[in-house]
Amino acid sequence: GAGVSQSPSNKVTEKGKDVELRCDPISGHTALYWYRQSLGQGLEFLIYFQGNSAPDKSGLPSDRFSAERTGGSVSTLTIQRTQQEDSAVYLCASSLVSGGAGAKNIQYFGAGTRLSVL
Amino acid sequence: DAKTTQPTSMDCAEGRAANLPCNHSTISGNEYVYWYRQIHSQGPQYIIHGLKNNETNEMASLIITEDRKSSTLILPHATLRDTAVYYCIVDNTDKLIFGTGTRLQVFP
Repeated sequence: GAGVSQSPSNKVTEKGKDVELRCDPISGHTALYWYRQSLGQGLEFLIYFQGNSAPDKSGLPSDRFSAERTGGSVSTLTIQRTQQEDSAVYLCASSLVSGGAGAKNIQYFGAGTRLSVL
Repeated sequence: DAKTTQPTSMDCAEGRAANLPCNHSTISGNEYVYWYRQIHSQGPQYIIHGLKNNETNEMASLIITEDRKSSTLILPHATLRDTAVYYCIVDNTDKLIFGTGTRLQVFP
């Protein structure tokens, strides 16, 4: 079946421009996560959506970053006034949450969007 | 901060078992141990998870010590395609906190 889909796969932008990154989770998955991975580093949590609950935005690095999830499915991560330090791979994941003990952290990841800010 | 400690890198011969250790001495009673891996230029892939008992699936086995302060991921017959960074994660919340993982290199 279809996995988590992210677009674009690569994005090159100029410093100061806004960018939007899209994530299509696995159908039926109620939880959606955004992470970013800088070159040679581990993954950094950004934001988490679960059903109709208020999102957990505790990982967003600045107010230039925002995300929304429309209709409980597709999510868009927006970075305003991009800076060079925003260059990274942005990864989206989804999970079923209700799949039993410990299952909520079985997350399925997309291939990511590689963002380069010049 | 990640709650786990893993070796930075390991090597394994193709066809042999790869045993990847993880220390999580501050684990609490309701925290699960999760293992993910990330093959170059791909998103992380879930492997296995457990709470107290040892677990096995089609990909790997997870051995958790009785005091739950450490665990070992076992790939019984490593192949070249198992070359990846392996992450051990301890959590009971909704966010996975990834450390730097173990870079496993499987060689012919």
